[in-house]
Amino acid sequence: QVQLVQSGAEVKKPGASVRVSCKASGYTFTGNYVHWVRQAPGQGLEWMGWLNPHSGGTNYAQRFQGRVTMTRDTSISTAYMELSGLRSDDTAIYYCARAMSYAEYLTHWGLGTLVTVSS
Amino acid sequence: EIVLTQSPGTLSLSPGERGTLSCRASQSVSSSYFAWYQQKPGQAPRLLIYGASSRATGIPDRFSGSGSGTDFTLTISRLEPEDFAVYYCQQYDTAPFAFGGGTKVEIK
Repeated sequence: QVQLVQSGAEVKKPGASVRVSCKASGYTFTGNYVHWVRQAPGQGLEWMGWLNPHSGGTNYAQRFQGRVTMTRDTSISTAYMELSGLRSDDTAIYYCARAMSYAEYLTHWGLGTLVTVSS
Repeated sequence: EIVLTQSPGTLSLSPGERGTLSCRASQSVSSSYFAWYQQKPGQAPRLLIYGASSRATGIPDRFSGSGSGTDFTLTISRLEPEDFAVYYCQQYDTAPFAFGGGTKVEIK
């Protein structure tokens, strides 16, 4: 069955960077897209961007441009999301999700990775 | 950038009642590119509806979606205890693929 297994919780200081991983199994990693969505405590969902694991192509939401980088390692079917210049309002659960294409609904989600930014 | 506004913010209903959730877009969205998700506390969101009206695999038929243009609706025909959760709409027509702010369906 399709699974997206994310890396564990992180605690970072303001200004630092964080990298979250998302290991895919149960489907062809390079045949689908990976989207990243975050959720601040008690808040709604915020779409961050997508990654095409086949080509490495990306599309980031404007508000994250310059701070976010989405990459992949096809040899281990893993996608990565790195966010730099962390601020306290970046404290959130970060989810990866699978989609059939760049403009598609999110069929399967990881369990999320809590990133806490605190001095 | 398309903004999605969900209403009401909270819906208080009893099991067995009908729930109607609304999502309004700031500009027209192709109905082929509209989804609804359910999220329970401490869990990741789960896809309910895609293409505005198609149920995802395993979703009971008490969930139905409708709408076009700027107005979309999720209807839960008879609420079961497991349906009390937060529901989000999303458009994936034009990046950024925004979500609505959510509607919490709580037990009355």
